[in-house]
Amino acid sequence: AQKITQTQPGMFVQEKEAVTLDCTYDTSDPSYGLFWYKQPSSGEMIFLIYQGSYDQQNATEGRYSLNFQKARKSANLVISASQLGDSAMYFCAMRPGDHNNDMRFGAGTRLTVKP
Amino acid sequence: NAGVTQTPKFRVLKTGQSMTLLCAQDMNHEYMYWYRQDPGMGLRLIHYSVGEGTTAKGEVPDGYNVSRLKKQNFLLGLESAAPSQTSVYFCASSYLNTEAFFGQGTRLTVV
Repeated sequence: AQKITQTQPGMFVQEKEAVTLDCTYDTSDPSYGLFWYKQPSSGEMIFLIYQGSYDQQNATEGRYSLNFQKARKSANLVISASQLGDSAMYFCAMRPGDHNNDMRFGAGTRLTVKP
Repeated sequence: NAGVTQTPKFRVLKTGQSMTLLCAQDMNHEYMYWYRQDPGMGLRLIHYSVGEGTTAKGEVPDGYNVSRLKKQNFLLGLESAAPSQTSVYFCASSYLNTEAFFGQGTRLTVV
């Protein structure tokens, strides 16, 4: 089964600066999808960005980008121009691309944006 | 636009009691998931389903059962609740290779 590792339990960033949240994964599947979710203190899970294992370019969505390094099995989330509202838990997730579609998550990183 | 709806939102159970959590989605998704979230451990997959009538075990299936009799519903059952099952439970649904949409969560306390 696949394994997702987020090694940063907590991160701090100054408002308006960029921050990188780390995610590494381990899988034997040749095809898979990588996801990042945000969970604010209110508890809902908010989808941020998706990267397919065969995508040639790194995914971007507004201020979010995914630094995908397939050979190193890493899928780091980069948030540019941090805002106070970015303070939340961030989870990395992976799902195999075949029909056996179990989606697994890392332990998460708590990001705090300082004014 | 309901999306994914979980029932109930909160529940307190006594040890040994049983209960069923209901997840309903109106997006015609094939895939549905049940997770539990505990502090410091992220979301752990309990069971999942890749289609109506099919279910599979995830990372932490012990003490739980599931059923997917209708495509839009995914039920999570606790036959004999234990304090270790105190957690926040999330249901999610998706198509293949798209993001999963989550319900608002169910906070379960077993005393």
